[in-house]
Amino acid sequence: QVQLQESGPGLVKPSETLSLTCTVSGGSIRSYYWSWIRQPPGKGLEWVGYIFYRGSTKYNPSLKSRVTISIDTSQNQFSLKVSSVTAADTAVYYCARGRDVPDYWGQGTLVTVSS
Amino acid sequence: EIVLTQSPGTLSLSPGERATLSCRASQSVSSSYLAWYQQKPGQAPRLLIYGASSRATGIPDRFNGGGSGTDFTLTISRLEPEDFAVYYCQQYGSSPWTFGQGTKVEIK
Repeated sequence: QVQLQESGPGLVKPSETLSLTCTVSGGSIRSYYWSWIRQPPGKGLEWVGYIFYRGSTKYNPSLKSRVTISIDTSQNQFSLKVSSVTAADTAVYYCARGRDVPDYWGQGTLVTVSS
Repeated sequence: EIVLTQSPGTLSLSPGERATLSCRASQSVSSSYLAWYQQKPGQAPRLLIYGASSRATGIPDRFNGGGSGTDFTLTISRLEPEDFAVYYCQQYGSSPWTFGQGTKVEIK
């Protein structure tokens, strides 16, 4: 059974960079697309972007200039960086397997942007 | 960007009743690339339906999706206690992928 686990700081200061890692276990990170989706507290879901195991990426244009997704196949991990964060970036961040309709999701991690 | 509008916002029903949820797109969703997810408090979304009408692995057959173009529906034929949750539709036919705002199915 594939499992995903997000990790990273739960508190980030405004204007700094949010960094999260997703560790995949129970299966290989190869041959799949991997996504990040976020959900502000009490609100709906927002697609952030995805990466193919070979490294190609696609991002939501609303975030594109601030987002970077990378992958480390040797560690079975992929990562998310969001630069110049504001309070609007406060959300539960989910990592997931799949490009269009993710079928396996991590439990999510809350990242709060506050000074 | 395609905007998805879900209705109603909240559906109050009793176990055993039928639930019908609507998802309307601001423009046609190509190739019926429309999915439905279920989310319970404190949990990640769970994929129910993709391709407008195909059930994901392990999803009970009381969950049925339908529709095309701009109008889609999720029907839960007979509500079980574990079905009370928030449901989201998502389109993946046009980038950026977008989600509806959700419909909460609550116990009446």
